[in-house]
Amino acid sequence: NAGVMQNPRHLVRRRGQEARLRCSPMKGHSHVYWYRQLPEEGLKFMVYLQKENIIDESGMPKERFSAEFPKEGPSILRIQQVVRGDSAAYFCASSLDRGSEAFFGQGTRLTVV
Amino acid sequence: GQQLNQSPQSMFIQEGEDVSMNCTSSSIFNTWLWYKQEPGEGPVLLIALYKAGELTSNGRLTAQFGITRKDSFLNISASIPSDVGIYFCAGFNYGGSQGNLIFGKGTKLSVKP
Repeated sequence: NAGVMQNPRHLVRRRGQEARLRCSPMKGHSHVYWYRQLPEEGLKFMVYLQKENIIDESGMPKERFSAEFPKEGPSILRIQQVVRGDSAAYFCASSLDRGSEAFFGQGTRLTVV
Repeated sequence: GQQLNQSPQSMFIQEGEDVSMNCTSSSIFNTWLWYKQEPGEGPVLLIALYKAGELTSNGRLTAQFGITRKDSFLNISASIPSDVGIYFCAGFNYGGSQGNLIFGKGTKLSVKP
C-alpha cells in the first residue's frame, strides 16, 4: 500500500532548462494537489487536478509553469526555462475524494544553478 | 483569496508541558486537517476533521473543528522531544466549481528536554 511517490527527490537544473516533477498518487486517489515551499516557509498552493482536469490553478504562475494529470501515469509539474527563483521544494498530495484526507509525498527539491 | 491565520508562529516549551495552537479564517471550511513536518520531509497527516464541533484524538493529540466552521485548534499533551517540528493547519472549502486545500503558515515547536 504505497504512499504518494514523488520523483526525483532532488533535481538540479541550469538556468533556462526544463524541470519535470512527477507525482504518483496513492492507489485509488484521483485528486492531486501541488505545493511549493521555500526554506522556513509554509506550503503555497499551486494547482489542484482531478484526473485529466485542472480544477483550480489559481496559485500557478501565469508563465513557464504547467501541470497535468493524464488518465494513465503520474501527475507532472513542468517548469520551462527555469530561473534561480524557482529553486524550492515542490510537494504533491493526493486524496480519494474532494475535501477528504490528503496525503503528501516526500517532495522534490529543485535547485537551479 | 482565502487566508488561514495560524498562531502562535513558534513555541518553546519544556518537555512534559501541554501545547495548544489554532487556526482561524474569515471563510467557512468544510474540512480541517492538521499536519506535522520535519526537516527534509513531506507533511504527515495527524488528524482530519469533517464536521463542525467534531473533537478527535490521536494519541496525545486532540483537535477540534470549530462550531462556526471558521476555526480549529490542535492540542498536544505531555510533550516529548520527538514532538519537535512544524505543525500546519489546512482547510478545504469545496463550494462551487473551485476549491483547494490551503495551509496556514505553521507553528514551529521546540521542546526542551
